[in-house]
Amino acid sequence: NAGVTQTPKFQVLKTGQSMTLQCAQDMNHNSMYWYRQDPGMGLRLIYYSASEGTTDKGEVPNGYNVSRLNKREFSLRLESAAPSQTSVYFCASSELRQLPSYFGSGTRLTVV
Amino acid sequence: QQPVQSPQAVILREGEDAVINCSSSKALYSVHWYRQKHGEAPVFLMILLKGGEQKGHEKISASFNEKKQQSSLYLTASQLSYSGTYFCGTGGNQAGTALIFGKGTTLSVSS
Repeated sequence: NAGVTQTPKFQVLKTGQSMTLQCAQDMNHNSMYWYRQDPGMGLRLIYYSASEGTTDKGEVPNGYNVSRLNKREFSLRLESAAPSQTSVYFCASSELRQLPSYFGSGTRLTVV
Repeated sequence: QQPVQSPQAVILREGEDAVINCSSSKALYSVHWYRQKHGEAPVFLMILLKGGEQKGHEKISASFNEKKQQSSLYLTASQLSYSGTYFCGTGGNQAGTALIFGKGTTLSVSS
């Protein structure tokens, strides 16, 4: 089973460029999440989608947009990348909040 | 609001025990524990739901005290494979909410 697949795995952007991080899950999960991980800060929630057709802001949504394209896919867009958005981004999914979340392998993004 | 984990770091020798704590200023309805090895994605360990139950996974167990709004992760007779960063994630009562994670506790086990 593929589980949660994120693309790309690595990306370098120049300040002001835009890009979309892709995430897809094959477990038929209802909920999907985007987290960013920075040294010493843990995993911080950017946006989440409790079910298809809904999205909500998390702890650090500024500078990001999301799209729940269908039940499988949840993308994260940076419209105008800034160096402060240099981070490792993880996508995760779960059937229900009370059940385990499964994480993708992450996207390492550097903004120069 | 992020739950608070303590300690920030633990250094152990194989066979020693450790306790990692997770506390929240908000009412807790569930606590999730994950372990992340360097350069990898977090991996699920266990979930504790409201009710004070204790769960176990190999030699790792956890407790949840919703009155005190805290959870503890117990690592018994640690092994080299236990090294990594441990995160607790807390959830609210509403179905549409997502997990909020603490900053993590780094555990280093040496032989």
